[in-house]
Amino acid sequence: AQSVTQLGSHVSVSEGALVLLRCNYSSSVPPYLFWYVQYPNQGLQLLLKYTTGATLVKGINGFEAEFKKSETSFHLTKPSAHMSDAAEYFCAVSVTVGNQFYFGTGTSLTVIP
Amino acid sequence: KAGVTQTPRYLIKTRGQQVTLSCSPISGHRSVSWYQQTPGQGLQFLFEYFSETQRNKGNFPGRFSGRQFSNSRSEMNVSTLELGDSALYLCASSLAAGGQPQHFGDGTRLSIL
Repeated sequence: AQSVTQLGSHVSVSEGALVLLRCNYSSSVPPYLFWYVQYPNQGLQLLLKYTTGATLVKGINGFEAEFKKSETSFHLTKPSAHMSDAAEYFCAVSVTVGNQFYFGTGTSLTVIP
Repeated sequence: KAGVTQTPRYLIKTRGQQVTLSCSPISGHRSVSWYQQTPGQGLQFLFEYFSETQRNKGNFPGRFSGRQFSNSRSEMNVSTLELGDSALYLCASSLAAGGQPQHFGDGTRLSIL
């Protein structure tokens, strides 16, 4: 069975500070991992994905995530938060069979000026 | 390339009515998934269609149904609407191959009075 856990439903950071959003997964097979961002009244937008290869993945808007198999984690980071980063962030895992996606419960990021 | 298009964007219905939501996937995408998003329950998987067949199904009552046409466009139907059905309904399409991300539309905001 596959599942995703996002620690911290709400995270606040100061503008210019490091952003760290945590994601842990469980999967019975090697997973594919994704981070999505959602702005108010919009759908989810893909930030980055890990499929195979390099474990440090760079995405859009300066975000990156590192796949750590030993820790079953895929945490999202950004060195310096910007006001425009305030949004809801979702971690997701998929497996090859059936292509079903499993989403975490989301983390709401607030950026304090 | 056009993104995922959902219509209508907003809908107001009363209890007991039924509603049909539409989703046009990205050209070439044969997998279409539907999600319900509410503040209390987060993002919940409804069902996934691939080549006109329902391949995966979430834990929702039979009032929620869907279908997919030969051009991959999909519709979702909810009958006998309840107040608790008020939500943002999101559609996502993908190539349905291992590691391919889901691409989301902006959703249909359904309000039940």
